[in-house]
Amino acid sequence: DTGVSQDPRHKITKRGQNVTFRCDPISEHNRLYWYRQTLGQGPEFLTYFQNEAQLEKSRLLSDRFSAERPKGSFSTLEIQRTEQGDSAMYLCASSHDANRGQFFGPGTRLTVL
Amino acid sequence: AQSVTQLDSHVSVSEGTPVLLRCNYSSSYSPSLFWYVQHPNKGLQLLLKYTSAATLVKGINGFEAEFKKSETSFHLTKPSAHMSDAAEYFCVVRDPYSGAGSYQLTFGKGTKLSVIP
Repeated sequence: DTGVSQDPRHKITKRGQNVTFRCDPISEHNRLYWYRQTLGQGPEFLTYFQNEAQLEKSRLLSDRFSAERPKGSFSTLEIQRTEQGDSAMYLCASSHDANRGQFFGPGTRLTVL
Repeated sequence: AQSVTQLDSHVSVSEGTPVLLRCNYSSSYSPSLFWYVQHPNKGLQLLLKYTSAATLVKGINGFEAEFKKSETSFHLTKPSAHMSDAAEYFCVVRDPYSGAGSYQLTFGKGTKLSVIP
């Protein structure tokens, strides 16, 4: 399968702990995106990478959130000092051309107790 | 700033009857528009896209959408619903001229489609 993959698929953590998620995009895609989706809502944009450069960040991405794409391939999203409001599905997407649509991974569902 | 309004949160149709999911958008210039589908416990799948070519766009699984600039609409249709079409559908806009936000997709809140046998 050559689609976008995310790991882990599910994460349960206690409030205050740090968590890290990984995304592997489609191999020939140089653009990578992170979104967050809460229950009953559409996904909301968090951040965007072109190759290894982080070019856009949403206001939703507080100081506790950090994302990296060190070699322009896989990306990680870290949340420090998790809060219950961070509970959501975290989606990764990739694209080759901005106009052709973004291809989404299955997501990582985070539950903060 | 770009935005999307999906006019119905839930649509219910009988199998074999037409489907209409309504979407209006707001964008500063000529946007790119997409429809995505999300089946339960599955990832988002791109159904179709409009990027300033033909205004009637055909997608997968018999779906199509028509871009109407004068009405700022991009409604999704299908002539005959199938049970497997039951899912959540998202209308999505991307404004390539919005500056810093030009690469992000802005999603509507979604329309849940139910298909009655």
